[in-house]
Amino acid sequence: EPEVTQTPSHQVTQMGQEVILRCVPISNHLYFYWYRQILGQKVEFLVSFYNNEISEKSEIFDDQFSVERPDGSNFTLKIRSTKLEDSAMYFCASTPGLAQETQYFGPGTRLLVL
Amino acid sequence: AQKVTQAQTEISVVEKEDVTLDCVYETRDTTYYLFWYKQPPSGELVFLIRRNSFDEQNEISGRYSWNFQKSTSSFNFTITASQVVDSAVYFCALSEIKAAGNKLTFGGGTRVLVKP
Repeated sequence: EPEVTQTPSHQVTQMGQEVILRCVPISNHLYFYWYRQILGQKVEFLVSFYNNEISEKSEIFDDQFSVERPDGSNFTLKIRSTKLEDSAMYFCASTPGLAQETQYFGPGTRLLVL
Repeated sequence: AQKVTQAQTEISVVEKEDVTLDCVYETRDTTYYLFWYKQPPSGELVFLIRRNSFDEQNEISGRYSWNFQKSTSSFNFTITASQVVDSAVYFCALSEIKAAGNKLTFGGGTRVLVKP
């Protein structure tokens, strides 16, 4: 069964460094999402992406964040200058052509900013 | 704005007991989807069930069942005959329906601990 994959599974970085989190959505899906979950808290929406552009973003998704689909298969989340409070689990999700389909999540990338 | 509330933060049961998880939501949309996801200790988010707002028929799927009541904005979830492997955090989520993609709004989660 097709799955969303994410790399790396864990990343440790120093405050102020740039990180790129990578996702490979399910191949025939057209809608892509990033969410984050700070340890012990609820899952929060960051951004949705469709037709090579951002369709919606949350207040969390400020100028330090960007998303890209560089090659038709990968979907990346970049944090330009990480802060301590960016430490969280980051989940990628995708859905097929219809926007109301179920979002299937990748296994997540646990980011720790020191 | 959408909001999902899971009032129970933690539930502890003994194996084979039934567990019911409460979920109350707020939305101004008339058409929306409701979901339950499971997050086991390994951390991934596993889709369990989905229900759309125009279908209030309650169903059973294996050991899972749900009770959707639009009049009270509730979407409760029951695990029948719980097993140790059901120990996880369960999240209720709500999505609007938009042409350019939906965002999920999650509740705070309910931690379920099933003891042998």
